[in-house]
Amino acid sequence: DAKTTQPTSMDCAEGRAANLPCNHSTISGNEYVYWYRQIHSQGPQYIIHGLKNNETNEMASLIITEDRKSSTLILPHATLRDTAVYYCIPPSGYALNFGKGTSLLVTP
Amino acid sequence: NAGVTQTPKFQVLKTGQSMTLQCAQDMNHEYMSWYRQDPGMGLRLIHYSVGAGITDQGEVPNGYNVSRSTTEDFPLRLLSAAPSQTSVYFCASSRKTGTAGNTIYFGEGSWLTVV
Repeated sequence: DAKTTQPTSMDCAEGRAANLPCNHSTISGNEYVYWYRQIHSQGPQYIIHGLKNNETNEMASLIITEDRKSSTLILPHATLRDTAVYYCIPPSGYALNFGKGTSLLVTP
Repeated sequence: NAGVTQTPKFQVLKTGQSMTLQCAQDMNHEYMSWYRQDPGMGLRLIHYSVGAGITDQGEVPNGYNVSRSTTEDFPLRLLSAAPSQTSVYFCASSRKTGTAGNTIYFGEGSWLTVV
């Protein structure tokens, strides 16, 4: 299974874009990159996923480098409610191997 | 739409007691799994199931049993509760989509305290 590396923590001012990086240099050619987040005391929540092309939905944008070795999750206008732990995960098929993710703190 | 439903939400057990955490999903998902999350830690996989009648161990299976008699339900049994099993437990489910990846849906969690 592919391994991922994320910064332990990041800060972002409310209203600014939050850019969360993820390194997944060992990802295989047919493995998607999934992003989830976990707001305190809640179950993890799906955000977005992608394979090769950049993706956008109502929650975020996902930028994947051409060599697929890394990606960046972008929250275009972060709010206080976006404070959470963000996980970058290649799925194993049946379950997820969660690392510690990036703890994002959005400040007023 | 219910999604993944876990019960109970909160439970206090005495050491040595047994109990079952219930998990049900209404999305006809083949895959179901149980995670535990200790304070300040990431989620760790306990057991998982790829379909009715099929279960397997995850990263931290000791002290827990599971069964999958139906597609909808995946209960987690604590045989003899220990303080080390104090944690938040999350149930999850997803479709079987092969290598294309699959979105996983989580329940709201069950907070278990063993005294």
